[in-house]
Amino acid sequence: DTAVSQTPKYLVTQMGNDKSIKCEQNLGHDTMYWYKQDSKKFLKIMFSYNNKELIINETVPNRFSPKSPDKAHLNLHINSLELGDSAVYFCASSHLWATGELFFGEGSRLTVL
Amino acid sequence: QKEVEQDPGPLSVPEGAIVSLNCTYSNSAFQYFMWYRQYSRKGPELLMYTYSSGNKEDGRFTAQVDKSSKYISLFIRDSQPSDSATYLCAMSLPKTSYDKVIFGPGTSLSVIP
Repeated sequence: DTAVSQTPKYLVTQMGNDKSIKCEQNLGHDTMYWYKQDSKKFLKIMFSYNNKELIINETVPNRFSPKSPDKAHLNLHINSLELGDSAVYFCASSHLWATGELFFGEGSRLTVL
Repeated sequence: QKEVEQDPGPLSVPEGAIVSLNCTYSNSAFQYFMWYRQYSRKGPELLMYTYSSGNKEDGRFTAQVDKSSKYISLFIRDSQPSDSATYLCAMSLPKTSYDKVIFGPGTSLSVIP
């Protein structure tokens, strides 16, 4: 059983398109995250939800819109894709106050042409 | 100055060598320190976790924290080809803050048989 699963694993799309990534966790955690990893492997937090409530919202273009329908699911929708959006997007989960013990999915590799 | 700095490598060592990976940080409020291992095309996985200055050992891995110098290290003894991965240091604030984990840029390690 995969603990944190993301779909799709690969996306290749044209500039200007809209795309979504979905994430689900079966660990019973109450906090979920989106991280972006660029080509230099730098992993940076984008958003965090605790029990469907947005608690961390870093400086991210408003073309990126997260949504959490319940505490086991977190989606990321990206509008008007740009070349600079090409990266690997990781979903992660943890217990609230887990202070750093994150469980990551395998990532969704987005390529914008 | 970046919050967390880490030598990106790449680092290449022969099998059986002792590996030393290091990070420095600027925010003295960080209290929780982690090392994550990331294999190619996979999500990061938690390797070591500590919250106090000093050493923590787990098998061939030792995590060392020096809060006074704002310096953390990961030592790998008897390195194996299966240790070839990118190692990310990470840190987070006390439990009174939401779990915003800050990652270093990662060090790429290759262990040559």
